[in-house]
Amino acid sequence: QVQLVQSGAEVKKPGSSVKVSCKASGGTFNSYAISWVRQAPGQGLEWMGGIIPVFGTANYAQKFQGRVTLTADESTRTAYMELSSLRPEDTAVYYCAREGFTSACDYWGQGTLVTVSS
Amino acid sequence: QSALTQPPSASGSPGQSVTISCTGTSSDVGGYNYVSWYQQHPGKAPKLMIYEVSKRPSGVPDRFSGSKSGNTASLTVSGLQAEDEADYYCSSYAGSREVFGTGTKVTVV
Repeated sequence: QVQLVQSGAEVKKPGSSVKVSCKASGGTFNSYAISWVRQAPGQGLEWMGGIIPVFGTANYAQKFQGRVTLTADESTRTAYMELSSLRPEDTAVYYCAREGFTSACDYWGQGTLVTVSS
Repeated sequence: QSALTQPPSASGSPGQSVTISCTGTSSDVGGYNYVSWYQQHPGKAPKLMIYEVSKRPSGVPDRFSGSKSGNTASLTVSGLQAEDEADYYCSSYAGSREVFGTGTKVTVV
């Protein structure tokens, strides 16, 4: 069974960066994309970007272009999302999800709460 | 890159049906048959309920169905049950990116 396990909650200062990991177990890792989705408190889901580990290529939502970097390590089956220049409005739960070629996210991580506060 | 438009809320009594709309543009919903629907209970990760407009993943009850006409996709939940009370989000492929809907809170009254 596929499982995505994310790193723990983070508290960051404005202007700093955060790097969240997402480790996959079970199933195949390289044949799918890993998408990153965030959800601010009381708000909806927001797609940030996705990466296909076997190619190492990433696509980003225009809103986050230049501020987010997605990477993946095939050897450890781990994907990473790094968000820089953090501001309070980046406070959210960040999810990773496995995305198939049908553009559907069928497995999700448990979410990582990132709090940005001075 | 605006979010897809969903009604903020919908409700129905147990056993009834509720339909949620998801309106986009020809660049997303209308341009591809890659519309998905997710169910999210409070404090939980989203769960895939429908993919490719109308297909159900294994384990999802057939009470959940999806369709699309033009730039609008729809999710119908038939035979509402208490556990269906949740937030629902649509999403669509939009050419090298994804876009989510604004979300709909379904209440079983």
